[in-house]
Amino acid sequence: QQQVKQSPQSLIVQKGGISIINCAYENTAFDYFPWYQQFPGKGPALLIAIRPDVSEKKEGRFTISFNKSAKQFSLHIMDSQPGDSATYFCAASDGAGSYQLTFGKGTKLSVIP
Amino acid sequence: ETGVTQSPTHLIKTRGQQVTLRCSSQSGHNTVSWYQQALGQGPQFIFQYYREEENGRGNFPPRFSGLQFPNYSSELNVNALELDDSALYLCATGTSQNEQFFGPGTRLTVL
Repeated sequence: QQQVKQSPQSLIVQKGGISIINCAYENTAFDYFPWYQQFPGKGPALLIAIRPDVSEKKEGRFTISFNKSAKQFSLHIMDSQPGDSATYFCAASDGAGSYQLTFGKGTKLSVIP
Repeated sequence: ETGVTQSPTHLIKTRGQQVTLRCSSQSGHNTVSWYQQALGQGPQFIFQYYREEENGRGNFPPRFSGLQFPNYSSELNVNALELDDSALYLCATGTSQNEQFFGPGTRLTVL
């Protein structure tokens, strides 16, 4: 059972454009929602994270939007750059016990010049 | 770059063998979690250790086991390797809060 659904599977954006990746979750006990960036051959790197008590969080060019009633959250990358080309994963955890992360299947982003 | 290190980088084993993967925690982190990432998929939670005890386990069989040492480093042991165990194995360390920081992973190939 996939508890975090991520879309799209792949995304091509022109340099300077906005990249948008969406995730939906089912488990209402989730209370922590991070985004990770992964380059080929590397481990995932924590980009930005949000908790359900806020609807938006911005760090530099990266913004998370969170809709608790719809059980959806999204990552917006403003002014996308070729160096942003990577695979992005959304994740969620319920903050109880092990804080295990449940990941989406990933979005491969390609930013073309 | 996080302060989490993993060894070895790559490993090739044959079916039925046993493997031990190692992880060194980032300074100040007292939890370690292990994840399996198959090609083209998101990481799947194997288990977590906190204060040297298992503190949660995902849907993996008992032949996946682990240890956490007093210095918070950790080992993942997999017995009776199967072809489907071929994957990138990631460890992630953190404090008792949610933030988890991943190492570079160990690429395991089972032939």
